[in-house]
Amino acid sequence: QQQVKQSPQSLIVQKGGISIINCAYENTAFDYFPWYQQFPGKGPALLIAIRPDVSEKKEGRFTISFNKSAKQFSLHIMDSQPGDSATYFCAARRSKGGGADGLTFGKGTHLIIQP
Amino acid sequence: DVKVTQSSRYLVKRTGEKVFLECVQDMDHENMFWYRQDPGLGLRLIYFSYDVKMKEKGDIPEGYSVSREKKERFSLILESASTNQTSMYLCASSLRGWNTGELFFGEGSRLTVL
Repeated sequence: QQQVKQSPQSLIVQKGGISIINCAYENTAFDYFPWYQQFPGKGPALLIAIRPDVSEKKEGRFTISFNKSAKQFSLHIMDSQPGDSATYFCAARRSKGGGADGLTFGKGTHLIIQP
Repeated sequence: DVKVTQSSRYLVKRTGEKVFLECVQDMDHENMFWYRQDPGLGLRLIYFSYDVKMKEKGDIPEGYSVSREKKERFSLILESASTNQTSMYLCASSLRGWNTGELFFGEGSRLTVL
């Protein structure tokens, strides 16, 4: 059972355009929603993250929008650059009594920025 | 600089072999995780550990076991490798409490089972 649904699976955007990746979840026990970026041959690395009590978070060209009532969140990459070409994963964390039982990841979006 | 090191980047094993994947972190993190990554399936949690000698099953533990004898080291064990365990395996660690929600990943171990 997939708990975090991510779309699209792949995305091609022209340089300077806006890249948008969407995720949806069902489990209301999730308490943290990060996005990870992965380049070929490397492990994923945290890009930006948001808590459910915030509707938007911006870091440079990257913005997370969060809609708690719809159980949806999205990543926007403004002024997309060829160096942004990577695989992006949304994720959600289940909080368990102050401990942690890992992140649940979406299936990933392969983003290509064309020069 | 934080670092999670996976000892083997590429392994080729035969069906039925016992396989050990080793992971070491130098950040004094309490939590450690093993994920597998497959095209179109994303990252799926196999096992995690929040303390030495402690382990908990993730979403897909079948066919795997883990060992955590020291805080910095977390091993993934395939008792009898099968072809459907051909995959990229990623180790990660994090601080207890997760205030930043950040997992630190290694670069992965690509396992091929023939």
